[in-house]
Amino acid sequence: DQQVKQNSPSLSVQEGRISILNCDYTNSMFDYFLWYKKYPAEGPTFLISISSIKDKNEDGRFTVFLNKSAKHLSLHIVPSQPGDSAVYFCAAKETDDKIIFGKGTRLHILP
Amino acid sequence: DTEVTQTPKHLVMGMTNKKSLKCEQHMGHRAMYWYKQKAKKPPELMFVYSYEKLSINESVPSRFSPECPNSSLLNLHLHALQPEDSALYLCASSQIGQTGLYGYTFGSGTRLTVV
Repeated sequence: DQQVKQNSPSLSVQEGRISILNCDYTNSMFDYFLWYKKYPAEGPTFLISISSIKDKNEDGRFTVFLNKSAKHLSLHIVPSQPGDSAVYFCAAKETDDKIIFGKGTRLHILP
Repeated sequence: DTEVTQTPKHLVMGMTNKKSLKCEQHMGHRAMYWYKQKAKKPPELMFVYSYEKLSINESVPSRFSPECPNSSLLNLHLHALQPEDSALYLCASSQIGQTGLYGYTFGSGTRLTVV
């Protein structure tokens, strides 16, 4: 059973607008959540993380929101740029070393 | 140096071949990982090494054999693979205990095709 779920396989957003990528999880014991970005033929790149004791973390154009009661997190990208077109993976830290990934959402930034 | 380097980038091997994937990092990370990623699927954890010792083996078939000769190197030895083992094999590293803060640093992967 999937513990980290990204229910939208793809998302298209106009350049300059806000991109919102969503993620749900089932395990209330996760203590950190992470977002990764992946271009074709490259490994995933760490973007931003959030501790389970916080509800928001911001880094430049990227903001992650966590709603623990709903077991839901989202990544906001503002403003969206062409270089943001990639696959975005939501992930959760299960143990000190182990990260569990969602299936990913492909983001297309439209000109 | 903030990279994880994987070689080769592409590998085609027959089912009777023996080959090795290599991974190297010089960031002082003491945890290293092998992940397997099939098309349109998330990366799946295979092995974790902590302080050069195997700490997690996610029930991976014995035709995959990991090796961590030192704190900078991680190998994955392949023998008698099946066509369904064709995938992108990703190496990653992290600081022990700080995975949540900084995540993993991934290599670009080795695209493996078994024929």
